[in-house]
Amino acid sequence: QVQLVQSGAEVKKPGASVKVSCKASGYTFTSYGINWVRQAPGQGLEWMGRINVYNGKTNYAQKLQGRVTITTDTSTSTAYLELRSLRSDDTAVYYCARDLARCSGGSCYVGYWGQGSLVTVSS
Amino acid sequence: DIQMTQSPSSLSASVGDRVTITCRASQGIYNHLAWFQQKPGEAPRSLIYHASILLSGVPSNFSGSGSGTDFTLTISGLQPEDSASYYCQQYETYPYTFGQGTKLEIK
Repeated sequence: QVQLVQSGAEVKKPGASVKVSCKASGYTFTSYGINWVRQAPGQGLEWMGRINVYNGKTNYAQKLQGRVTITTDTSTSTAYLELRSLRSDDTAVYYCARDLARCSGGSCYVGYWGQGSLVTVSS
Repeated sequence: DIQMTQSPSSLSASVGDRVTITCRASQGIYNHLAWFQQKPGEAPRSLIYHASILLSGVPSNFSGSGSGTDFTLTISGLQPEDSASYYCQQYETYPYTFGQGTKLEIK
């Protein structure tokens, strides 16, 4: 069965960087895109970006452009989210989420979620 | 960016009731709309894609409809376990944007 297992909680100081991992199993890793979504405490869901794992093409939310990078390591079936120049309002639970179906173009919908990784930014 | 507006932001209903949550897109998105359920302390769960198609395992008392700019999520025969927050998301155009959420309380 499809499983997405994320890395553990992190505490970072303002200005630092964080890299969250999402290890996939139960399917062919390169066949499905991976999205990253975050949720600040008590707030709603915010889409951060998506990677086409097959060709490495990425799309990001404009507000995070320049601070965020999504990558994959196909040898370990792991996706990564790196966020730089952290601020206190980056404190959130970060989720990876896999496309439900194979989607090579646009209009790709999510079907599977990781358990979430809490990132706390505090001095 | 496409703005997604959900209403109401919260609602309270009784076991057995039928509730409807609406989601409006700031521009047409065909049927490229998904619905998610999230319970406190848990990851979101995907419920519906293409506005009306239920994912495997989603109870049949959930249904979705709409196209273009106006969409609805209907839950019939409410159960205590349906108490959760519900979010819509458009995936027609990047960035994929979410509605602000609707918190459903079961009385």
